[in-house]
Amino acid sequence: KAGVTQTPRYLIKTRGQQVTLSCSPISGHRSVSWYQQTPGQGLQFLFEYFSETQRNKGNFPGRFSGRQFSNSRSEMNVSTLELGDSALYLCASSQGWTGANTEAFFGQGTRLTVV
Amino acid sequence: QQPVQSPQAVILREGEDAVINCSSSKALYSVHWYRQKHGEAPVFLMILLKGGEQKGHDKISASFNEKKQQSSLYLTASQLSYSGTYFCGTGKETSYDKVIFGPGTSLSVIP
Repeated sequence: KAGVTQTPRYLIKTRGQQVTLSCSPISGHRSVSWYQQTPGQGLQFLFEYFSETQRNKGNFPGRFSGRQFSNSRSEMNVSTLELGDSALYLCASSQGWTGANTEAFFGQGTRLTVV
Repeated sequence: QQPVQSPQAVILREGEDAVINCSSSKALYSVHWYRQKHGEAPVFLMILLKGGEQKGHDKISASFNEKKQQSSLYLTASQLSYSGTYFCGTGKETSYDKVIFGPGTSLSVIP
């Protein structure tokens, strides 16, 4: 069974640009969550999608957005990139809600560097 | 709302035990533990639920004190493979809320 796939693995962007990251969950999983990981900050929750609907949202500015498609694949978009957006972006998939006591499976992440 | 983890970092020799603590200022419904090795994705260890149910790892144990809103992860007879960063995630009162992770505890096991 294939794991969670995130593409691309690495990205270098310039301030002011926008970027789209992709996440393909494990087959049969309907929930996809996105996290931003920076040194010392742990895993900061961005948002969670379940069956194409955003169910939860973290405390990030509106420049961060996402969506989920009917096949459960999800994309995350960051517009008007800032230097502080440099981070590892992780996506996790689960059969149910992440908070509904189900194990989440993480992808390898996309390392975004903003210069 | 981010849970607090302690210690921030710990170094152990093989065979020693360690305890990682996680506490929240909010009432908890569930506590989730993950381990992330350097350069790898976080991997699920355990979920502890209000009411005492546990799901997870055979060789790692944990406790959940609902009244104190705390959880502890117990690593006994540590092995080199236990090295990594341990994250606790907390789910609030309802089972439909998001999981918020703490800053992580770095654990290094040395020979």
